[in-house]
Amino acid sequence: GNSVTQMEGPVTLSEEAFLTINCTYTATGYPSLFWYVQYPGEGLQLLLKATKADDKGSNKGFEATYRKETTSFHLEKGSVQVSDSAVYFCALRSGAGSYQLTFGKGTKLSVIP
Amino acid sequence: EPEVTQTPSHQVTQMGQEVILRCVPISNHLYFYWYRQILGQKVEFLVSFYNNEISEKSEIFDDQFSVERPDGSNFTLKIRSTKLEDSAMYFCASKDSPQWDTQYFGPGTRLTVL
Repeated sequence: GNSVTQMEGPVTLSEEAFLTINCTYTATGYPSLFWYVQYPGEGLQLLLKATKADDKGSNKGFEATYRKETTSFHLEKGSVQVSDSAVYFCALRSGAGSYQLTFGKGTKLSVIP
Repeated sequence: EPEVTQTPSHQVTQMGQEVILRCVPISNHLYFYWYRQILGQKVEFLVSFYNNEISEKSEIFDDQFSVERPDGSNFTLKIRSTKLEDSAMYFCASKDSPQWDTQYFGPGTRLTVL
């Protein structure tokens, strides 16, 4: 079946530090890959996505590249801000006629000034 | 910006009681979803709903669960007889077309079963 594994948190970084949150997946076929973010008290918001191998999704300074050879979709940001503090979820949609999302456990990021 | 809303934000119930969790999806959306997250675990898909019927459901979505779109705006999840293990955060999501991949999520309802 489909599964997503992402690095355990929590992650604490100083402002302007480099961020990487690792995500690897197992899926049949050619999944679409997503990063969702959840700010305190809010719902999950789509941060970025990639629908095929070697695609790079980007938004708000965050990037992730769909790597089929390593089945990975790591999230990166060059310089984090306090406002990036949130929980980040990696997810996939298998694409085989299904629209359900399969999520990882989430990684809590805290950015301190 | 339009958003998905959910009520209540927190529901406490006794084991064996029925609960109804309510969601108002974005108004022009046609595809609706429920997910749940037990504390410390992954967000799990429960069910998807389109054109007034269930289009997919997971193994979790057994006979104790049902969904309904009782009017043009609400989308509800009913748990008939709650168990302790139903305690979780329940998220509703909606999407406007089959081609567009983005599901828009609500803030969630925290269900606590005592």
